[in-house]
Amino acid sequence: GDSVTQMEGPVTLSEEAFLTINCTYTATGYPSLFWYVQYPGEGLQLLLKATKADDKGSNKGFEATYRKETTSFHLEKGSVQVSDSAVYFCAPNRDDKIIFGKGTRLHILP
Amino acid sequence: NAGVTQTPKFQVLKTGQSMTLQCAQDMNHNSMYWYRQDPGMGLRLIYYSASEGTTDKGEVPNGYNVSRLNKREFSLRLESAAPSQTSVYFCASGLGTGKNEQFFGPGTRLTVL
Repeated sequence: GDSVTQMEGPVTLSEEAFLTINCTYTATGYPSLFWYVQYPGEGLQLLLKATKADDKGSNKGFEATYRKETTSFHLEKGSVQVSDSAVYFCAPNRDDKIIFGKGTRLHILP
Repeated sequence: NAGVTQTPKFQVLKTGQSMTLQCAQDMNHNSMYWYRQDPGMGLRLIYYSASEGTTDKGEVPNGYNVSRLNKREFSLRLESAAPSQTSVYFCASGLGTGKNEQFFGPGTRLTVL
């Protein structure tokens, strides 16, 4: 069946550091790809998405590119802030069925 | 717009008790979903409803029932709670196309003793 593997956390970085959170998936066909973010005590909210190969999703300085060849959707940000501390979920969506990764907890130190 | 609302925010039950988690959305979405989130497990789909009057099982439906009361409301019922159902429950709604995001409520933290 469909599955997703993302980087285990927690990831701890200093403010202004470069961030990469790896995500790879296995799925039949070509799912739409999402990153969701969960801030402490809240529900999930969409961070960015890409719906077809080579699309780049971006939001709040975060970016991810839909790589069909490597079935990957790695999340990157050039300069993280303390306010980016949260849990990040990679989430392929095929036929409206989301497979959530286990989440990567990110801590940013001032 | 309130988005997706859930009640209650917190609940403690004893084993064998029953309860219903309520969810409502005001975005006129066709599809609604119930997930549970457990440490280290990500979110897992319990049930979903693609439209008013229809419901389908997700990955982990055992021990739960759902009702799509109308287009706005989708409730989750635990008939006889078990400690294994201790979790955080999230309701979500969306257009149901697969290419659009799902919108999540703030969650219900349930503890079963």
